Amino acid sequence: GENVEQHPSTLSVQEGDSAVIKCTYSDSASNYFPWYKQELGKGPQLIIDIRSNVGEKKDQRIAVTLNKTAKHFSLHITETQPEDSAVYFCAASLGGTGNQFYFGTGTSLTVIP
Amino acid sequence: DAGVTQSPTHLIKTRGQHVTLRCSPISGHKSVSWYQQVLGQGPQFIFQYYEKEERGRGNFPDRFSARQFPNYSSELNVNALLLGDSALYLCASSLEGEREGTGELFFGEGSRLTVL
Repeated sequence: GENVEQHPSTLSVQEGDSAVIKCTYSDSASNYFPWYKQELGKGPQLIIDIRSNVGEKKDQRIAVTLNKTAKHFSLHITETQPEDSAVYFCAASLGGTGNQFYFGTGTSLTVIP
Repeated sequence: DAGVTQSPTHLIKTRGQHVTLRCSPISGHKSVSWYQQVLGQGPQFIFQYYEKEERGRGNFPDRFSARQFPNYSSELNVNALLLGDSALYLCASSLEGEREGTGELFFGEGSRLTVL
């Protein structure tokens, strides 16, 4: 089955700096790669996603890149703010009804004011 | 519009007991998935239901079961609870189509189960 690895496990940045979180996946058939933000005591919230036919996607301060050949994808957050502090999860899926999402182990991001 | 709602939010059980967790999907969503999130780990897939039928099952023992009702709400049942079942149980709904899912999962806040 699919195996998703995520690095780093913890990340501290100064407010205003950029943060990068990287994930690799093993199954070349995976075609959907979402990123979730989970705040303490809450469920994961989708923040951005990318499909395998796209190399990069951007939404304001957040961007995701996908390298299908190398089987890795990354989350980039620019101009970080204290409210960006949370645990971020990457995931991979084959898509389609019944196909599960495989999650990484999470990155705890702390933005220092 | 209401998001995915789960109940109860917290519960404590003892080993050997059973538990039922409930989930109401976003209005219009016909697919419900269940995930287990152990502290410090990413969510792990348990089940997916679409139109009241099981469409996917993760690597969990038969003590775990689920069902989906005509109104698309869902229940997750766990029998013979073990200490290792202590986790946050997340329900997610999605707007699945007949041929291929859109892929977007919307999670509830979860039910935190503690087994003593």
